[in-house]
Amino acid sequence: DQQVKQNSPSLSVQEGRISILNCDYTNSMFDYFLWYKKYPAEGPTFLISISSIKDKNEDGRFTVFLNKSAKHLSLHIVPSQPGDSAVYFCAASDYGGSQGNLIFGKGTKLSVKP
Amino acid sequence: EAQVTQNPRYLITVTGKKLTVTCSQNMNHEYMSWYRQDPGLGLRQIYYSMNVEVTDKGDVPEGYKVSRKEKRNFPLILESPSPNQTSLYFCASGLVGGEQYFGPGTRLTVT
Repeated sequence: DQQVKQNSPSLSVQEGRISILNCDYTNSMFDYFLWYKKYPAEGPTFLISISSIKDKNEDGRFTVFLNKSAKHLSLHIVPSQPGDSAVYFCAASDYGGSQGNLIFGKGTKLSVKP
Repeated sequence: EAQVTQNPRYLITVTGKKLTVTCSQNMNHEYMSWYRQDPGLGLRQIYYSMNVEVTDKGDVPEGYKVSRKEKRNFPLILESPSPNQTSLYFCASGLVGGEQYFGPGTRLTVT
């Protein structure tokens, strides 16, 4: 049973517009959430994270929102650029717990069109 | 430069021929992990290690072995590779439960 779900396998957005990538989780013990970006033929790279004590974290064009009651998080990219075209993975962990593993979603492929 | 290195980057082998994919990190991380990426399945964890001499199974450990004799190295061993292990493999290191830093990947083909 998937604990971290990214229900949209792909997303296409026009350059300059907002990209919104969504992620849902089922484990209420998760307290730390991350987004990774992956280009073809490269390893995933860390993008942004958020702790469960916050509901928003911002880093430049990237903002992550966390809705704990809905067990939902989203990544907003504003404005979107062609170089943002990549696969985005959502991940979660119980950072304060004993396991500490990152559980990844299946990814969403973002295409930003010029 | 802080990094995770994997070798080889590409490997084509035959069924049953034992192979090892090496992974090394220079960031003094206690946590290391192996993942495989397959189309439509995302990143699935194979094995992980919280510290030296401590390893544990991830979601898809069948057919794989690992060892953690030193902090910096975490090799992935396929004793008898099969075609269903054809995949893209990533090693990662990082903080327990926190950010992980990934290697460049190893594309393995088993014929």
